[in-house]
Amino acid sequence: GDSVTQMEGPVTLSEEAFLTINCTYTATGYPSLFWYVQYPGEGLQLLLKATKADDKGSNKGFEATYRKETTSFHLEKGSVQVSDSAVYFCALLIQGAQKLVFGQGTRLTINP
Amino acid sequence: GAGVSQTPSNKVTEKGKYVELRCDPISGHTALYWYRQSLGQGPEFLIYFQGTGAADDSGLPNDRFFAVRPEGSVSTLKIQRTERGDSAVYLCASSSGQPGRGETQYFGPGTRLLVL
Repeated sequence: GDSVTQMEGPVTLSEEAFLTINCTYTATGYPSLFWYVQYPGEGLQLLLKATKADDKGSNKGFEATYRKETTSFHLEKGSVQVSDSAVYFCALLIQGAQKLVFGQGTRLTINP
Repeated sequence: GAGVSQTPSNKVTEKGKYVELRCDPISGHTALYWYRQSLGQGPEFLIYFQGTGAADDSGLPNDRFFAVRPEGSVSTLKIQRTERGDSAVYLCASSSGQPGRGETQYFGPGTRLLVL
């Protein structure tokens, strides 16, 4: 079945460090890929998405590139801030199925 | 504009009781989704509505769970004979329902259900 595997957390970094959170997927069809973020005390928010191979999604300094050959969608940011502390979820959506399939989430803590 | 809203924000009930969780989607969104998130896990799909009808209910864990959307807007998730294992955060999401790849689902804040 369709599934998403994320880098296990928690991840703790210092401010201005480089961030990578790995995400790989298994899908029977040709999915769209998403990163959602959950800040403390808030609901899930879309961070970025990509709908076809080699597309790059970007938002708030975060980027992820849809790699069909490696079935990956790794999240990166060049210089993290304390305000980036949150739980990050990678997810896929199979066209026509309409249901998001989420990874288990990665908790990120940024220390000043 | 207003986002997805869910009520109540917290619900404590006793094992065996019946509960209803409500979701108000973004105005004009025809697609509505319910997910369940257990502690330390990602959300898991329960059911998807397109308009008034349940287009996919394959994620409902058993027949104690039921959801309705009678007028194509507000939805209610109903859980009968609650069990301690039903304790989780129940998330609602909505989307415009327009065809196309990668349609964004917008999530509500969730209802935290605790079954004692």
